[in-house]
Amino acid sequence: AQSVTQLGSHVSVSEGALVLLRCNYSSSVPPYLFWYVQYPNQGLQLLLKYTTGATLVKGINGFEAEFKKSETSFHLTKPSAHMSDAAEYFCAVRGGGNKLTFGTGTQLKVEL
Amino acid sequence: DGGITQSPKYLFRKEGQNVTLSCEQNLNHDAMYWYRQDPGQGLRLIYYSQIVNDFQKGDIAEGYSVSREKKESFPLTVTSAQKNPTAFYLCASMRAGGYGYTFGSGTRLTVV
Repeated sequence: AQSVTQLGSHVSVSEGALVLLRCNYSSSVPPYLFWYVQYPNQGLQLLLKYTTGATLVKGINGFEAEFKKSETSFHLTKPSAHMSDAAEYFCAVRGGGNKLTFGTGTQLKVEL
Repeated sequence: DGGITQSPKYLFRKEGQNVTLSCEQNLNHDAMYWYRQDPGQGLRLIYYSQIVNDFQKGDIAEGYSVSREKKESFPLTVTSAQKNPTAFYLCASMRAGGYGYTFGSGTRLTVV
């Protein structure tokens, strides 16, 4: 079975600082990995995905993530945080039946 | 524009009542999914359907029922057997051969 663990339920950064949200996965097969963002009372929006090929994946809004098989990680980064980045972020892994298994989420707070 | 429409956005249920949440998509996606979101628990899969007239239980199907009579529609009924139905419900879809989901904007169900 596939699973993901997001380290840190709340992360706070200053505007302009590096954003690093951590995700580790467990998968019995080569994983497909995803990061989604959720704003209050809204659905989830896809930020980026890793399927095969290049291990550094670029997404929307300046976010990127690196797939590291040796560390079973797929951490999300952004060089410079903006106030509009404040939201909840979910890491997910795809399993059998094309089902996504989500982490418990990381709430990102951006301070002036 | 294509997308997924969930209705209503807010729903109030009295104890012992069944309620039905609507999910309609015009993306021509084959697979559809229902997730429940509770604070600090991420998203948990209730039911999913990969083709019309077929659906499977997810991790927390007890107290819920679904139907998939049309490709576009995947309604979720929260029955009186669901003991703790207050939550945010998200519907998603995915095209055949696709990787990630497209989400609706959610329905917030509250028991009063």
